[in-house]
Amino acid sequence: SQTIHQWPATLVQPVGSPLSLECTVEGTSNPNLYWYRQAAGRGLQLLFYSVGIGQISSEVPQNLSASRPQDRQFILSSKKLLLSDSGFYLCAWRPRPVTEAFFGQGTRLTVV
Amino acid sequence: GQQVMQIPQYQHVQEGEDFTTYCNSSTTLSNIQWYKQRPGGHPVFLIQLVKSGEVKKQKRLTFQFGEAKKNSSLHITATQTTDVGTYFCAANTGNQFYFGTGTSLTVIP
Repeated sequence: SQTIHQWPATLVQPVGSPLSLECTVEGTSNPNLYWYRQAAGRGLQLLFYSVGIGQISSEVPQNLSASRPQDRQFILSSKKLLLSDSGFYLCAWRPRPVTEAFFGQGTRLTVV
Repeated sequence: GQQVMQIPQYQHVQEGEDFTTYCNSSTTLSNIQWYKQRPGGHPVFLIQLVKSGEVKKQKRLTFQFGEAKKNSSLHITATQTTDVGTYFCAANTGNQFYFGTGTSLTVIP
């Protein structure tokens, strides 16, 4: 069966520090991968999506970047965090052909 | 990106009352999905609607897809405290996958 792992679960980082969140999927190949951010009490904002290794599409210009170095690995990064980067970050995957999305447990990031 | 709006943003109901959330898109959708996110958790898939005018039921939950495939609704009959959470509709344009703004449901026992 397929599983998705996302870590860490919680993170407190100072302003200006770098960020690296990792997401891996097991039990499937060539999935579509997504990063979303959810501010407290708000909706899900699509940040990045990827349809293959090295293929990244950015939805919102911001302080973040994403990479997909392997088929089932999706990384969200920042060189210098801002206070406004705080939020709940969710990784998701969808099989091909695209159907429902499966989410990781999320990372709650607080920038202080 | 694609605009998928949901109303209301928040809803408080007494246990046993009904609840409905509406999802509206500015464009015609190929399909629409619904997800539930419990407080502190991650979204979990509920259902997908594909056909114009489609209606699907899951126990006390009824999902509808509009005839023009631009809107959808989720109706919960006789809410229970276990229904608490945020309900999202979601739609895709190609490989992009957008979520609605969500409706947060509070059930008062």
